[in-house]
This record gives sequence, structure tokens and C-alpha cells, in this order.
Amino acid sequence: GQQLNQSPQSMFIQEGEDVSMNCTSSSIFNTWLWYKQDPGEGPVLLIALYKAGELTSNGRLTAQFGITRKDSFLNISASIPSDVGIYFCAGPNYGGSQGNLIFGKGTKLSVKP
Amino acid sequence: GAGVSQSPRYKVAKRGQDVALRCDPISGHVSLFWYQQALGQGPEFLTYFQNEAQLDKSGLPSDRFFAERPEGSVSTLKIQRTQQEDSAVYLCASSTQGGYGYTFGSGTRLTVV
Repeated sequence: GQQLNQSPQSMFIQEGEDVSMNCTSSSIFNTWLWYKQDPGEGPVLLIALYKAGELTSNGRLTAQFGITRKDSFLNISASIPSDVGIYFCAGPNYGGSQGNLIFGKGTKLSVKP
Repeated sequence: GAGVSQSPRYKVAKRGQDVALRCDPISGHVSLFWYQQALGQGPEFLTYFQNEAQLDKSGLPSDRFFAERPEGSVSTLKIQRTQQEDSAVYLCASSTQGGYGYTFGSGTRLTVV
């Protein structure tokens, strides 16, 4: 079935650094979604991508829809402490209804000690 | 209300006990979703309602899980005869019809002992 693989699983950031993470799948997706989840909260949608090759920004966040439609990338520029959290990629579960999304396992961002 | 409200925030149940988890969606939101998030994992789809109609329940893991939304507003997820593997955060999300702009609640953390 459809699966989303995120890497890295976790990373440490120092304030001001740029951060990159990605999401890959063995099957094609027509929509890619990136969410952030803070501890004790539900995921919040950051960016939605609908077209292969699309590059979309939301403030310091930039996401790209890979041209193969089997991957997507999220970059955070000039990270700040509030960027800490878990970032999930997600896409529609084809064969399921609207709202039936598949999520990756997440990339956890922590502050470098 | 301003956001999706879930109650209780925390629930401890003894194995074999029945539990009921409540979701108050954003007023006027037609679509409502339930997801299950195990520790260290991404959310997994359980079920989807459009108004009072349950259009997709393909993610419910067993017949012990039952969801309803009788008046097209508040929804309840019921788990009968809870098992340890049911321990997870249960997330509810709502949206206006169409698109992926769901708003997630903060979830109910269920611990089965």
C-alpha cells in the first residue's frame, strides 16, 4: 500500500541555521501536504502542494513537489526556537474518501544542546 | 467556538472498559474526521463524516470502534472493551466541504491499563 518515508527521523538545530527534510513514496501522489505538530497539540497545516514541480513558500518555509511526484521537500530558513516540533508530510489515500490522508512518521526538530 | 474542541483531554481506562471521546467541530464545518496517533507515529485515518453521514469508516481497526455524528455537529468516538493496543492520541479534525484545510483539535490521550 501507500507509505510515506520521512528523513531524517530527527535533527538538532541551532538558531539561525537552515533546515532541510524530505518525504518519499513508492507510489505517485497528486497532492503533498506539510504539517507541524507541537507537543500536546494537533497538527497544523503549513503548506499544500498540488502540482509536480511546484515550489511554494509560507514565510521562512519553502516546500517543493518533486517532479517524479514521488517526493517532496521542506526547507526552513534561518531557524528560530519556535520551529522546534514534529513535521509531517501527508498525501491522499487513493481509494479512500476525501480527508483520508496518509501521514509519514515525522521529522522531529530539537534545539542543539 | 474558535477551534475544534475535544474532551476529555486525558482518559485512563482499565482494559475491558468502554470509553466515549467527544469532538466539537468548528461551527458550520461540514466535514469531520477522526484519526488515531500512536506514540512516535503519524496520525492514521479512522473515519470521515459529511454532515451526519459517515461516508468512510475504512480506517476503524475493529468492530469495537464506533463513531457517530447524529445531528451533523458534535461527534463521539466510542471504543468498546478497550485493549492496551488502543492506547493512543485520538485526534478530531473538521473542515468546510472540499480542500485540505482541516483544523485539528488537541486530541484525547487514551491510556489503557
